[in-house]
Amino acid sequence: DTGVSQNPRHKITKRGQNVTFRCDPISEHNRLYWYRQTLGQGPEFLTYFQNEAQLEKSRLLSDRFSAERPKGSFSTLEIQRTEQGDSAMYLCASSSLAGGPTGELFFGEGSRLTVL
Amino acid sequence: SQELEQSPQSLIVQEGKNLTINCTSSKTLYGLYWYKQKYGEGLIFLMMLQKGGEEKSHEKITAKLDEKKQQSSLHITASQPSHAGIYLCGAPQGAQKLVFGQGTRLTINP
Repeated sequence: DTGVSQNPRHKITKRGQNVTFRCDPISEHNRLYWYRQTLGQGPEFLTYFQNEAQLEKSRLLSDRFSAERPKGSFSTLEIQRTEQGDSAMYLCASSSLAGGPTGELFFGEGSRLTVL
Repeated sequence: SQELEQSPQSLIVQEGKNLTINCTSSKTLYGLYWYKQKYGEGLIFLMMLQKGGEEKSHEKITAKLDEKKQQSSLHITASQPSHAGIYLCGAPQGAQKLVFGQGTRLTINP
């Protein structure tokens, strides 16, 4: 399968613990996005990479959140000192510059975080 | 910032019936994407509309973009159980991201 891959699919953690999610985009895609989705809502933009450069961060991305994309390939999203309000589905998407200004976003299956 | 409002928020229809989902923007639409999401899973791309008046169809799903009304509609003809899920509209905000509506949950009763 050459789609967007996310791991783990589900993470249950206790409040205060750190968690890390990984996203492997489609190999030729240079744009990578992280979104967060809570129950009954649409996805909310968190951050965007073009190759290895993080070009935009939402104000939703507090100091406890950090995202990286070393070498412009896979990306990680780390949440430190998790809070119950962090419980959500974290979605990764990738796209190609050739797709136009935004292009079609290809989404992964998501990583669901439950903070107890 | 741009906001997208979808209506209805949820919809239950009998199998075989037609239905329409609307997406209204608070600002001018320069394009509109429709995605489908199965519960607890990722989003699947359906269609992208780029110009006012544009209409696209894929199988039994048709989407239109009305720039003047800052609105897009998604119409499903002769609905089937496989159409069940959450439909999301998304609009480009700048060159770098999509802003999404809150979604419309569609249930098809046999």
